[in-house]
Amino acid sequence: GNSVTQMEGPVTLSEEAFLTINCTYTATGYPSLFWYVQYPGEGLQLLLKATKADDKGSNKGFEATYRKETTSFHLEKGSVQVSDSAVYFCALKGDAGGTSYGKLTFGQGTILTVHP
Amino acid sequence: DAGITQSPRHKVTETGTPVTLRCHQTENHRYMYWYRQDPGHGLRLIHYSYGVKDTDKGEVSDGYSVSRSKTEDFLLTLESATSSQTSVYFCAISEGQGSYEQYFGPGTRLTVT
Repeated sequence: GNSVTQMEGPVTLSEEAFLTINCTYTATGYPSLFWYVQYPGEGLQLLLKATKADDKGSNKGFEATYRKETTSFHLEKGSVQVSDSAVYFCALKGDAGGTSYGKLTFGQGTILTVHP
Repeated sequence: DAGITQSPRHKVTETGTPVTLRCHQTENHRYMYWYRQDPGHGLRLIHYSYGVKDTDKGEVSDGYSVSRSKTEDFLLTLESATSSQTSVYFCAISEGQGSYEQYFGPGTRLTVT
């Protein structure tokens, strides 16, 4: 079945540091890939997505590129802020060719803390 | 923000008691989902619905049942709660499958003692 693996956290950075959170996946066919963010006490919000190989999703300074050759979708930001402190989830949705069509499979989440 | 509410937001219950969680949407989206969130596991799908009275199991459906009698409401029932069902439960909605975004509710924190 489908699976998503994220780098272990927590990740602690100083403000304006560069962020990378690694995400790799296992899936058949051509899944869609997502990054969700969860701020303390809230539900998940979509941060960015990519629906086909080599697509780059971007939002609020965050970027991730869908790399089918390495089955990866790493999240990056050039300069983090204290307000970016949250839990980040990588997720995939199976394509129309499989039983996982339309269902999200999540990674375990990575806690990010940014200090001033 | 997508119009999704969950009730209750917090609940403490005893082992063996029935519990029902409610998800209500005002977006008229066809698909609704129930997930549980546990440390080290991310979110895992419990059940989902693709229309009124149309539901199917997710990866962790044992011990849970669902019902959807109206487009706007999706109920999750724990027939006899166990301590292993202590978790945070999230409802999500979506217009369709494929690359459609899922919008999440604020969550319900359930503690089974």
